[in-house]
This record gives sequence, structure tokens and C-alpha cells, in this order.
Amino acid sequence: GENVEQHPSTLSVQEGDSAVIKCTYSDSASNYFPWYKQELGKRPQLIIDIRSNVGEKKDQRIAVTLNKTAKHFSLHITETQPEDSAVYFCAAKYFGNEKLTFGTGTRLTIIP
Amino acid sequence: DTAVSQTPKYLVTQMGNDKSIKCEQNLGHDTMYWYKQDSKKFLKIMFSYNNKELIINETVPNRFSPKSPDKAHLNLHINSLELGDSAVYFCASSQVSLRRVHSDTQYFGPGTRLTVL
Repeated sequence: GENVEQHPSTLSVQEGDSAVIKCTYSDSASNYFPWYKQELGKRPQLIIDIRSNVGEKKDQRIAVTLNKTAKHFSLHITETQPEDSAVYFCAAKYFGNEKLTFGTGTRLTIIP
Repeated sequence: DTAVSQTPKYLVTQMGNDKSIKCEQNLGHDTMYWYKQDSKKFLKIMFSYNNKELIINETVPNRFSPKSPDKAHLNLHINSLELGDSAVYFCASSQVSLRRVHSDTQYFGPGTRLTVL
């Protein structure tokens, strides 16, 4: 089955700087890669996703890049703000399989 | 107005008891899931139902039994609760289209924090 590794497990960044979280996956058939943000005591919420037919996707301060050859994908947050502090999860799956495999999470702390 | 809802939000119970958690979605989705999030925040899939049919059944003790009376509801019943069952349980839903093109986004419920004493 799919295995998703996520690094780092914790990340502290000065407000205004950029944050990068990286994930690798094992199943080359995976073709959908979402990122979820979970604030303290809240539910995971989708913030951005990418499908394997594109290499990069942006949404304002958030971007995701995908390298299918190396089987890794990354989340980039620019101009970080205190409200970006949360746990971020990457995940992977392929069409035809409804099982979404999550990474172990990254606790991001933005230092004011 | 809530898309995916769960009850109760908190559940505190003694070891050995039997309890249920309910989940409902009003998004018209045909697939629902149960996840367990432990104290280290790991999110693990437990079960998934598509149109009331079980499609994912991970390695979960058979004390856990999901039930889907219709595609908008997925309940989780837990027998003989153990200390290790303490966690946050999330329900989620998604739409699996016939061509599986726009099927991926999973929407999570607010979670149920289960504490077994």
C-alpha cells in the first residue's frame, strides 16, 4: 500500500518568512495530492491540492509543487502570518482507490 | 448549514462500556469515512462506505462496527471500550463520480473526542 513520509515534524518560522514542508510517497500510481490544515481543536481542512498532470499550483500565498519522478511534493507558504500556525498534513491517493493516506503532520509555528 | 456533523463532540466513558458516534453529511456525497487521530496527531483511516457498501476496512479491532443506514449517515459503534481507544474520531465525506474525475476532496466533520477512563 501507499506510504507517505512528511518532514519536518515541527517548523518554526519568523512572521513574514517562507515555510516549506516536504512529503514523499511510495506508490507511483498515486495521482492526487491534497494538503490539509488543522488548527488546534479543529477539523482538518483542505487548503490546496494537486493532480499528477501538473507540476505546480498556486493559490495566493500557498503553492504546491510535485515531482513525479522523485515521488515527492512540497507545500510552500510565503509571507507567513500568525494565523498560519497549525498542523499541516499531506496526503496521497490514486483514482479508483478511495483510501487517502496521510503523512504524519508538521506543526508550523509562526513567531511574531 | 453544517456540511458534515458529528455527535457527540465529547464522550467520556468507563472501560468496558459500549458507545456510539453518529455522523451526518448534507453535501449529497456518496462516500463516507471514519478516521482516528491519536495523541500524536496521526490521522488513520478506519472505514469507508460508498452508497451504504463497505469499501475500506482497515486493520481495526472487531469491537469497532460501522453502520450506514443511508448514504448521508455513517455511525460508529464501539464495544468493550479500552484505554487505547481514547482519541479524536473524525468522520469525512466525498463524492465519488462515475468517472472518478472530481472525486477526491474529503470534507471532515468537527470530530468527537473520546476519553476512556
